[in-house]
Amino acid sequence: DTAVSQTPKYLVTQMGNDKSIKCEQNLGHDTMYWYKQDSKKFLKIMFSYNNKELIINETVPNRFSPKSPDKAHLNLHINSLELGDSAVYFCASSQGNFLAAQETQYFGPGTRLLVL
Amino acid sequence: ILNVEQSPQSLHVQEGDSTNFTCSFPSSNFYALHWYRWETAKSPEALFVMTLNGDEKKKGRISATLNTKEGYSYLYIKGSQPEDSATYLCAFHGGATNKLIFGTGTLLAVQP
Repeated sequence: DTAVSQTPKYLVTQMGNDKSIKCEQNLGHDTMYWYKQDSKKFLKIMFSYNNKELIINETVPNRFSPKSPDKAHLNLHINSLELGDSAVYFCASSQGNFLAAQETQYFGPGTRLLVL
Repeated sequence: ILNVEQSPQSLHVQEGDSTNFTCSFPSSNFYALHWYRWETAKSPEALFVMTLNGDEKKKGRISATLNTKEGYSYLYIKGSQPEDSATYLCAFHGGATNKLIFGTGTLLAVQP
C-alpha cells in the first residue's frame, strides 16, 4: 500500500491555466507538507498543515492555494500557471506534533509539472 | 538566511569502496539533523534523525555522526554496493524556523 500518494504523476499544461495536484496519506499522520524542487534541485517547503490548520506558509505567490479537506488530504491548487512554476512538487506527511523536530517526514513520489 | 551545504555534489566510487560525505549546517538554534536517501524516480526515504551532539547512528553499512557545536554531520557507507547509488540529502531543523531546510544532496554512483 502506498503511504503517501500524489496525482497526477505528470502534468503538462499551458501558461495561464489553473490546475490542481492531489495528495493523500494513509499513515494516520496529522501533519502534511508541500515542497517544491527547484531548478537547482533544492527541496523547499511551501506549505504545511497540521490537522487541517495552516502552520507554515512560505513566501509563495498567492496563485498557489493549498486546501486540506481532512487531515489525510492536502491538495495544491495553482491559478494562472506561469513558465516558472515548472518544477517537481512533493507532498509529505509526518506523525503529528509538528514542533517535534525529530519527526521523520514521509514523501510522495512527486508530481512533475511542465508549463508550456 | 539559513544554509545547509553538502559536499561533494557528486561522487563516483567502485563497488566495495567505503566512502563518506559531509553536511554543514548552522550551529545555532539546532533542533535536529535528518538524512534521507533518494533514489532516482522514487521518493526520499528517511535514513536517520539525529538530535544530540556526538550522536552516532547506524543502519547496516550506513552510519552517520553529528557535531552540533561546529555544525556538521558525516554520512559513511562501508563497502559500497551498486544499490547504494542514490542522492543523499541532509536536512536541518532549527526550532525557530519550524521547518526542515534541505541541502542539495550528494549524488553517489557506485560502479560494479
